[in-house]
Amino acid sequence: GAVVSQHPSRVICKSGTSVKIECRSLDFQATTMFWYRQFPKQSLMLMATSNEGSKATYEQGVEKDKFLINHASLTLSTLTVTSAHPEDSSFYICSAHLYTGELFFGEGSRLTVL
Amino acid sequence: KQEVTQIPAALSVPEGENLVLNCSFTDSAIYNLQWFRQDPGKGLTSLLLIQSSQREQTSGRLNASLDKSSGRSTLYIAASQPGDSATYLCAVRHGFNKFYFGSGTKLNVKP
Repeated sequence: GAVVSQHPSRVICKSGTSVKIECRSLDFQATTMFWYRQFPKQSLMLMATSNEGSKATYEQGVEKDKFLINHASLTLSTLTVTSAHPEDSSFYICSAHLYTGELFFGEGSRLTVL
Repeated sequence: KQEVTQIPAALSVPEGENLVLNCSFTDSAIYNLQWFRQDPGKGLTSLLLIQSSQREQTSGRLNASLDKSSGRSTLYIAASQPGDSATYLCAVRHGFNKFYFGSGTKLNVKP
């Protein structure tokens, strides 16, 4: 299957700093990528849809200025958590789909804000 | 709006047992349905993809069926093993870039 790589897998930062998470499609091009947040023992919550070369589409209730998404190329999307606070601590996952519609996920990034 | 439900939320079985996980969705106008497994602290691994025109897909000990008209899919796991312990999620593609996920079934296979 296709491979989506996410980096870093774990990050710890101080409150008030910004953190960038990268999502790369390694063996296919993805005009669209998706960013999710997952709380403990819960399912995925879609945060935004990242579109190559254009602005991301955010889900209702997700702060655009807090979670900056950039999709600068067909293989890379980034999520930057700006001015992170402890409540932003969570598991963030990205995904992309092939032309067949099959979704592939990154390994996830565990963010801990102290 | 599409809603996806998975029952049961948790399941514990002895090793070797055959089992069925259920996924239901409210709107049958889907492009496809996909089953995933998620291990603790990890991303989702794709198991099977069923296109809307298909009735089932098989991979090794896994068999997934799709009944679009009734809004149901099942994931059958044969001869379960402790390594199958994980959370299993189903997702439907409803709309070009719209994917809806169930809340998952947490499976524990006891040695």
